[in-house]
Amino acid sequence: KNEVEQSPQNLTAQEGEFITINCSYSVGISALHWLQQHPGGGIVSLFMLSSGKKKHGRLIATINIQEKHSSLHITASHPRDSAVYICAVSHIGGADGLTFGKGTHLIIQP
Amino acid sequence: EADIYQTPRYLVIGTGKKITLECSQTMGHDKMYWYQQDPGMELHLIHYSYGVNSTEKGDLSSESTVSRIRTEHFPLTLESARPSHTSQYLCASTWGPEQFFGPGTRLTVL
Repeated sequence: KNEVEQSPQNLTAQEGEFITINCSYSVGISALHWLQQHPGGGIVSLFMLSSGKKKHGRLIATINIQEKHSSLHITASHPRDSAVYICAVSHIGGADGLTFGKGTHLIIQP
Repeated sequence: EADIYQTPRYLVIGTGKKITLECSQTMGHDKMYWYQQDPGMELHLIHYSYGVNSTEKGDLSSESTVSRIRTEHFPLTLESARPSHTSQYLCASTWGPEQFFGPGTRLTVL
């Protein structure tokens, strides 16, 4: 079992729909990261959070430390949101670097 | 905003060749990382560095080697490329818990 599990693996939705991507982890973490990867391969950091909720434009990220669960929401989705969304965690006291989920491949159709 | 550069962006090379993937950052970050991402799979940490003259192996075993002679430069070398090395290689640096990623090098070994 991976330390970081994401669901769904693939998601196709219509423009304007509310999108939710889930992430569960099984280790103690110092922070959880939501990343966006476009087809060219480059990765952009969307959020880094250790508690509560963060909002940036149409994106909202929440984390529940007790339940070891985080969600990424996209409101009023748009075709340009199509990308792979990756959940990753920084371990407490463990090896350096991030541990990644497999990613959620999101397609928003016009 | 952190600037992390990787060259080349794409490389197609024959088996047995020696290759060096370049990674540079201009923000003076001490911690730098190399991740490997096979097609359709999650990223895995293969090397990291805490600063000049510091290099450590990551979670995923790799035949590559790295060096850190200058703070801003963290090159990755494969002495003899093989088809199994075909993958995307992403470089990153850290400021506190936040990671900044380079655009990646997509390597194909024939």
